[in-house]
Amino acid sequence: GDSVTQMEGPVTLSEEAFLTINCTYTATGYPSLFWYVQYPGEGLQLLLKATKADDKGSNKGFEATYRKETTSFHLEKGSVQVSDSAVYFCALSDQGGYQKVTFGTGTKLQVIP
Amino acid sequence: DVKVTQSSRYLVKRTGEKVFLECVQDMDHENMFWYRQDPGLGLRLIYFSYDVKMKEKGDIPEGYSVSREKKERFSLILESASTNQTSMYLCASSTTRDRAEQYFGPGTRLTVT
Repeated sequence: GDSVTQMEGPVTLSEEAFLTINCTYTATGYPSLFWYVQYPGEGLQLLLKATKADDKGSNKGFEATYRKETTSFHLEKGSVQVSDSAVYFCALSDQGGYQKVTFGTGTKLQVIP
Repeated sequence: DVKVTQSSRYLVKRTGEKVFLECVQDMDHENMFWYRQDPGLGLRLIYFSYDVKMKEKGDIPEGYSVSREKKERFSLILESASTNQTSMYLCASSTTRDRAEQYFGPGTRLTVT
């Protein structure tokens, strides 16, 4: 079945550091890929998405590129802020009628001033 | 903005009790979902519904049931709560056009003692 693997956390960075959170996936067909973010005490929010190979999703300074050849969708940000501290989930949806979403286990990011 | 609300943020119940978790969305979304979130396991789908009175089992439906009598409301029922159902429960909704773009509620942290 489909699966998503993301790097284990927690990741601790200083403010203005470069962020990479790795995500790889296993799926049949051509899934859509997502990054969701969960701020403390809140539910998940969609951060960005990409629906086909080589697409780049971007939002709030975060970017991720759909790499079919390496089955990856790594999240990057050039300069993190304290307010980016959250748990980040990589996810995919299959192309079936229900578009079932499979989530990774989440990576906690802590940004210190 | 889409708003998904859950009836309680924190809930403590005793083993064997019947537990109701309520979720309401205000954006006329067709699809609604119940997940549980556990450390190291990410989000796992319990049940989902793509229309009123319709339901489908997710990956871990055992010990749970659901009810969707109105489009905006989706209830998760634990018929006889057990300690292994202690978890964070997240409700989500989405449109039929973009099933995988889900909007989440803030979650209910359920403790079963």
